[in-house]
Amino acid sequence: EDQVTQSPEALRLQEGESSSLNCSYTVSGLRGLFWYRQDPGKGPEFLFTLYSAGEEKEKERLKATLTKKESFLHITAPKPEDSATYLCAVQAGRDDKIIFGKGTRLHILP
Amino acid sequence: DGGITQSPKYLFRKEGQNVTLSCEQNLNHDAMYWYRQDPGQGLRLIYYSQIVNDFQKGDIAEGYSVSREKKESFPLTVTSAQKNPTAFYLCASSIAGAGSNTEAFFGQGTRLTVV
Repeated sequence: EDQVTQSPEALRLQEGESSSLNCSYTVSGLRGLFWYRQDPGKGPEFLFTLYSAGEEKEKERLKATLTKKESFLHITAPKPEDSATYLCAVQAGRDDKIIFGKGTRLHILP
Repeated sequence: DGGITQSPKYLFRKEGQNVTLSCEQNLNHDAMYWYRQDPGQGLRLIYYSQIVNDFQKGDIAEGYSVSREKKESFPLTVTSAQKNPTAFYLCASSIAGAGSNTEAFFGQGTRLTVV
């Protein structure tokens, strides 16, 4: 069965303190791995798609990387406005099913 | 503007009632999805559809039903058989098939509360 596991569940950082969020996956035939940001009461906002091991994508203070078993979302010198829940999802197999992890709640303290 | 519209934003249901949540997209996407999110939880897949007039059950389809009569629309009915329907419901759409740019884009959600 396809599975996506995110860690840690929650993370508190001081402003400017860099860190990484982890997404490990067990799927058959990965077609794509996605990262989203979700603010309270809102729908998830798309950040990145990664397709193959070794691929990296960057956007402002965020960088996503992918290996054959996991993905990392690195956040460099975060600001309070980066506080949100970050969700990882995978699309695998022959259909278009997209499966999500439970997310990491990130809180950046000023 | 292209996007996904969910309505209503808030919905209250009495015990034993069926309610229908609307999801419309103008992105010309073939695939559409319904997810349920409970506090502190990730998104759990209810139903998904790759093409008009076809849909598949996700992980938690019991107590829910869908239809896909038009490419743009994928309504979700929460039936009285769903024992714990209070949750945040999210609709999404994506380009179907293999290849790149298959990420899903989401609406702003419907918060359903049983009263």
